[in-house]
Amino acid sequence: ELKVEQNPLFLSMQEGKNYTIYCNYSTTSDRLYWYRQDPGKSLESLFVLLSNGAVKQEGRLMASLDTKARLSTLHITAAVHDLSATYFCAVDGSGGGADGLTFGKGTHLIIQP
Amino acid sequence: GAGVSQTPSNKVTEKGKYVELRCDPISGHTALYWYRQSLGQGPEFLIYFQGTGAADDSGLPNDRFFAVRPEGSVSTLKIQRTERGDSAVYLCASSLIGLAGARRETQYFGPGTRLLVL
Repeated sequence: ELKVEQNPLFLSMQEGKNYTIYCNYSTTSDRLYWYRQDPGKSLESLFVLLSNGAVKQEGRLMASLDTKARLSTLHITAAVHDLSATYFCAVDGSGGGADGLTFGKGTHLIIQP
Repeated sequence: GAGVSQTPSNKVTEKGKYVELRCDPISGHTALYWYRQSLGQGPEFLIYFQGTGAADDSGLPNDRFFAVRPEGSVSTLKIQRTERGDSAVYLCASSLIGLAGARRETQYFGPGTRLLVL
């Protein structure tokens, strides 16, 4: 069974600080996604990482993928309040060849002024 | 262009009743997915359609759950004899399919239907 684990699950940080969210997954996969979810809203696609060593950046967010370690990171630089949200990583496959995404539990991020 | 739309946005029903949840994917997206998200959790995969057929229904929790996509566009998720444990947000997503044999593209999610079973 494919498992996706994120840590931390909760993070409170101050504006201007840097931090990293980690996403580990249990079986090989060649595609990893990061999504953002605001309270009461749906999921917004942030990044798709397609290969080992892939790095993508958008504004203050940067995501990377190490397929050998089965690890992805989402790094936040100089955080601002607008980045407060829940961040999910997801991996292709639900185990046994299934076709959906398997999501982590999410990292609930609060950025305080 | 329009994104994925879902109706109703909220549904309250009583235990034992039947409900239908509708999803209208992005135009041109042949792949359609249903997920269920419980409070404080990530979405859980239910079923995947490629065109009109259910290519993978391994995530459906039991035979009370069924989904159709008769014309390869709009999909309906049907839940019979609802139980309180079915209360969750039901999310629909759609994506393009690449060339034959290629992997699927990013899944775009709708706003969800919040189902409450009393």
